[in-house]
Amino acid sequence: QKEVEQNSGPLSVPEGAIASLNCTYSDRVSQSFFWYRQYSGKSPELIMSIYSNGDKEDGRFTAQLNKASQYVSLLIRDSQPSDSATYLCAVNPYNNNDMRFGAGTRLTVKP
Amino acid sequence: SQTIHQWPATLVQPVGSPLSLECTVEGTSNPNLYWYRQAAGRGLQLLFYSVGIGQISSEVPQNLSASRPQDRQFILSSKKLLLSDSGFYLCAWSLMDEQYFGPGTRLTVT
Repeated sequence: QKEVEQNSGPLSVPEGAIASLNCTYSDRVSQSFFWYRQYSGKSPELIMSIYSNGDKEDGRFTAQLNKASQYVSLLIRDSQPSDSATYLCAVNPYNNNDMRFGAGTRLTVKP
Repeated sequence: SQTIHQWPATLVQPVGSPLSLECTVEGTSNPNLYWYRQAAGRGLQLLFYSVGIGQISSEVPQNLSASRPQDRQFILSSKKLLLSDSGFYLCAWSLMDEQYFGPGTRLTVT
């Protein structure tokens, strides 16, 4: 079992819709969770971090964390073509230097 | 604000040649520094991290090495490149647990 699992996609949504990206992790003691956006040919950009169960909202982005289910998700409201990218889920199990990344989900937002 | 630089942006090197990639961070002191590699269509692989000058931890045994000669400088090296070393090399920094990436170096070994 991979430590951080994501559906590789591609996930395709129409412009203006809600995109839902999901991630599961295997290490139950994990404390810190992150979402990165990576445009093709570019480096990952941190868009959200979440540490507590529940929802965390930042503009059009909402991160959701459920530690009991070992599940973290990212919702993108009012999706725009500029949101088309690969989204990486990352987990830091022990709040140290050992960040674990998923392989990413490729999102395409169609105009 | 903090800025992270990497160079070169792209590099094409023959098998068996040496490698030196450099990363520098501005606007912060005593950051944790990381080298990752991302192979085509794959996830990020942590290669090395450093919590201070001269302190290097290796995550994956291979023909690469890293050094941190100054607080905000991190260097990735190899004496002899392999074809399998091709990939997108990313430097990152952190103070707590959020990591921020540089622009990356795309290395092609031919």
